[in-house]
Parts: sequence; structure tokens; C-alpha cells
Amino acid sequence: GDSVTQMEGPVTLSEEAFLTINCTYTATGYPSLFWYVQYPGEGLQLLLKATKADDKGSNKGFEATYRKETTSFHLEKGSVQVSDSAVYFCALKVNQAGTALIFGKGTTLSVSS
Amino acid sequence: NAGVMQNPRHLVRRRGQEARLRCSPMKGHSHVYWYRQLPEEGLKFMVYLQKENIIDESGMPKERFSAEFPKEGPSILRIQQVVRGDSAAYFCASSPAEGARSEQFFGPGTRLTVL
Repeated sequence: GDSVTQMEGPVTLSEEAFLTINCTYTATGYPSLFWYVQYPGEGLQLLLKATKADDKGSNKGFEATYRKETTSFHLEKGSVQVSDSAVYFCALKVNQAGTALIFGKGTTLSVSS
Repeated sequence: NAGVMQNPRHLVRRRGQEARLRCSPMKGHSHVYWYRQLPEEGLKFMVYLQKENIIDESGMPKERFSAEFPKEGPSILRIQQVVRGDSAAYFCASSPAEGARSEQFFGPGTRLTVL
């Protein structure tokens, strides 16, 4: 079945370091891909998305490119801040009406000053 | 425009009691999804509802769990005779339409603790 695999955390970085969180997926057809962020005690917020191959989603300095050939959607940021500390979830959605999101297990990012 | 609202935010129940979780979708949204997040896990789909209809409940446990989305009022996720393994965060998401690429907007979640 369809699934998402993302790198296990926690990821611990110093402020201004470069961030990569790997995400690969398995899906029939051509899904849409998402990164969600969850701050402590809060719900999920959509960070960025891409709906077709080679699309690049970007938001708040974060980027991810939909790579069909490697079935990947890795999250990157050039210079992290303490405020980026959160749990990051990669997710896919099959492009059929009414289908649910399929999430990875999440990667905890901790950024220290 | 208020976002997706869930209440209560925190709920404590003893084993054997019932838990009722409520979700009010964003204004104009008629599609609701419930997800469960177990500790150290990602979110798992439970059920998808439209007004007065359950469309997909393939992720719901077969016993003790039920969901509804009445014509008026919030969507309700009901867990009867709770057990410790039901302790989790339950998230509701809503979307405006059935379109394949409709974005889902998440509520803040209800954190259920079963003693």
C-alpha cells in the first residue's frame, strides 16, 4: 500500500546550520506531497506542498522538490532558527476525491542558540 | 474566518468510561477527517465524513469507536468503554470540497488520557 518513510530523529542543530530531513514515498499513481509542522502542544500546520513531479514547494525559508525518479520529497532549509524547533511530518495524498493523508512518523528538530 | 475548532483540548477518562470529542470545521467546509496520533507515531487516518454521511471508515477500530457529522452541529468522535491504549491525540481536519487536491486544515487536537 501507499506509505511515507522519513528519517528518524531527533535532529539536533545549532542556529544557522543547514537542515535536511529526508522523505521517500511509495504510491500508486501520482500523489500530492506535503510537509506539515507541529509545534509543541499544537495541531499540524501545512508548511509546503507540491502536486506534481519537479514542483518545488517553499515557505518560510523551507524548500522541498518533488522527485518522481527517486520518489523523494526532502525538506531543506539553509539556516535554521531556534523557532524552527518542532516536529516535521512528510505526507502524501493520492489524487482521488476524498482520500486521506498518509503521514510519516515525524522527525523532531531541536535547534539551539 | 475561524479555523478548525476542537474541544475539549484535554480529556481525562478512567477505563470503561466514554469519551466524546467534538470538531467544528472551518466555515464553508463540509468534509471532515479524523486522525489519531499515538505517542512517537505519525497521524493515522480513522474516518472521513460529509454532512450526515460516513464516506470512509476504513481506519476506525471495529469496536467501541463511532463517528457522526450531523446536519447541524459539530462532528463527534465517540469512544465507548475506553482502555489505556486509546490514550492519544485525536486530530480533526476539514476541507472545503471533495476535489482531489483540496487542502485539509487541521484543528489543535484533543489529547485523551485514559487512567
